Amino acid sequence: DSGVTQTPKHLITATGQRVTLRCSPRSGDLSVYWYQQSLDQGLQFLIQYYNGEERAKGNILERFSAQQFPDLHSELNLSSLELGDSALYFCASSVDGGRGEQFFGPGTRLTVL
Amino acid sequence: QQQVKQSPQSLIVQKGGISIINCAYENTAFDYFPWYQQFPGKGPALLIAIRPDVSEKKEGRFTISFNKSAKQFSLHIMDSQPGDSATYFCAAIYSGGYQKVTFGTGTKLQVIP
Repeated sequence: DSGVTQTPKHLITATGQRVTLRCSPRSGDLSVYWYQQSLDQGLQFLIQYYNGEERAKGNILERFSAQQFPDLHSELNLSSLELGDSALYFCASSVDGGRGEQFFGPGTRLTVL
Repeated sequence: QQQVKQSPQSLIVQKGGISIINCAYENTAFDYFPWYQQFPGKGPALLIAIRPDVSEKKEGRFTISFNKSAKQFSLHIMDSQPGDSATYFCAAIYSGGYQKVTFGTGTKLQVIP
């Protein structure tokens, strides 16, 4: 158990809908990262937050947004969902935004029908 | 998009054999190279990592070899065991004040008895 929690574990929804994925980092970790892992694909970095502020952006679609709250938990919002958005979404946290090891959560499996 | 190319995509090794996974990167600004291990249904977990100022790092049965001039690094798993069967991701990080990670596409390792 990495100490990073993600909810929900599974999510099934329809095209065009909007969903919110939630992540709680390890106690003491200030940085949160979101990744997308499609079937048979590698991990695509989406976005990073550090202590409430956006720090880095990767391949995040405009339909997707994220935020980190004062209690350091983070939410990833996915809107106007398409079939191709079906994937595993991982959250990771680290102590800082530098070279600290990233600890990954168990992921949320999103299925868009 | 900074790329990290990983090969092979899949690998089958006999128990007791050596598993070798290779990665190549382009951006010389990368300054930290971790390997992650992912079991089915789980998030990736840090296995071992290296910085470009050393050519080799060993932790138990796992060794990273790093060739800075060739911009290549590899993971060697000695005495491979069925419990090592997992997907392995190499990654490259440019710290630069914050951590932006580029992952390889992953190698699915199967160790057969």
